[in-house]
Amino acid sequence: AQSVTQLDSQVPVFEEAPVELRCNYSSSVSVYLFWYVQYPNQGLQLLLKYLSGSTLVKGINGFEAEFNKSQTSFHLRKPSVHISDTAEYFCAVSASNFGNEKLTFGTGTRLTIIP
Amino acid sequence: EADIYQTPRYLVIGTGKKITLECSQTMGHDKMYWYQQDPGMELHLIHYSYGVNSTEKGDLSSESTVSRIRTEHFPLTLESARPSHTSQYLCASSPHGGSAKNIQYFGAGTRLSVL
Repeated sequence: AQSVTQLDSQVPVFEEAPVELRCNYSSSVSVYLFWYVQYPNQGLQLLLKYLSGSTLVKGINGFEAEFNKSQTSFHLRKPSVHISDTAEYFCAVSASNFGNEKLTFGTGTRLTIIP
Repeated sequence: EADIYQTPRYLVIGTGKKITLECSQTMGHDKMYWYQQDPGMELHLIHYSYGVNSTEKGDLSSESTVSRIRTEHFPLTLESARPSHTSQYLCASSPHGGSAKNIQYFGAGTRLSVL
């Protein structure tokens, strides 16, 4: 089984400042990793994913994340945030072996951008 | 862009009523999922389906039931709603194979309030 830990439940950041949202996972098998964003009263939208290859992945809206296998982390970063980035961000993991594609989500991090 | 639709978006009903939450996708995805999400909490998988006539219970026990008679349709039913069922319900789907098989696409959700 997999688990995900998002240590920060809320992160306030000034507009145009950089941000990092932390995500750590545990798994006994190889994994795929995802970041989803949820805007108020909306469903989840995929920000970016790590399936294989380069450990630095780029997503939509200027976000990127780095897969670090030794530290079992997949932190999300953006060099300069905007008011429109205010949302809830969820890290998720699934096992990479076929037939076991269920996602396990973290508890989410609420990103608030301060004007 | 994912095409997965949930209706209604908001529902307020009295205790004891039978309700059905609708979820449809136009992408031809084999796999579909229902999640329950309480405010400030992670998503919990309550049902999933890997194809027509296939349904399984998820990690979180739920009194709801699901059916999958058609590939594109995955409704969730509560026979007798109770206040403890108040929550947001999110539907998702993913393709069967290929590099995208672990990527789930979400609907906008149904926010249910049982009085």
